[in-house]
Amino acid sequence: SYELTQPPSVSVSPGQTARITCSGDRLGDKSPCWYQQRAGQSPVLLIYQDNKRPSGIPERFSASNSGNTATLTISGTQAMDEAEYFCQAWDSNVVFGEGTKLTVL
Amino acid sequence: QLQLQESGPGLVKPSETLSLTCTVSGGSIRSSYYYWAWIRQPPGKGLEWIGSIYYSGSASSNPSLDSRVTLSIDTSKNQFSLKFFSVTAADTAVYYCARRLIVGTTTVFDYWGQGTQVTVSS
Repeated sequence: SYELTQPPSVSVSPGQTARITCSGDRLGDKSPCWYQQRAGQSPVLLIYQDNKRPSGIPERFSASNSGNTATLTISGTQAMDEAEYFCQAWDSNVVFGEGTKLTVL
Repeated sequence: QLQLQESGPGLVKPSETLSLTCTVSGGSIRSSYYYWAWIRQPPGKGLEWIGSIYYSGSASSNPSLDSRVTLSIDTSKNQFSLKFFSVTAADTAVYYCARRLIVGTTTVFDYWGQGTQVTVSS
């Protein structure tokens, strides 16, 4: 079955740029999306179709996707961005990455 | 604003059936654009798609769970439901309902319920 791999944790200082990766076989062909899940809350769709943001999602969130790796980039990271981030793709089945805990130090 | 709300028992005994319902408000479940989905998250772990259903009743589910899952939909009540059979402690999780949208060749979940904790224990 298809798998998506994310680093368990990423740390960033406030105001800096955070990058979270998601790897999977030929992921560049699959238009992965990204979700943010703050502690105790439901996931929120952040990015879809590689780099589109739903209404209300700040411009500091962006993404890229090529080859086997998709990357979520958070520019000017804020304390409120501390959360778990999940990538998700479709491969004859819905597949989620294991999640990356972003810590804003 | 679309809202989804899960309901059902928070405690289920091992080997019994877990039954959850999701009530959709602020929009019709009878839309040709969307599917309606169940996703779960075991404590401290990631997300797992359980299955999705269309307003017509056409459903699909995760192959790893398929034999234990039944999805149904009641358009008159704007609700859809999950039945999960023969549960074990490994099925303890927060269960979310969500709206699923097909975008190009992929799929996304753009609205989520608040989630409901289900514990499997005797």
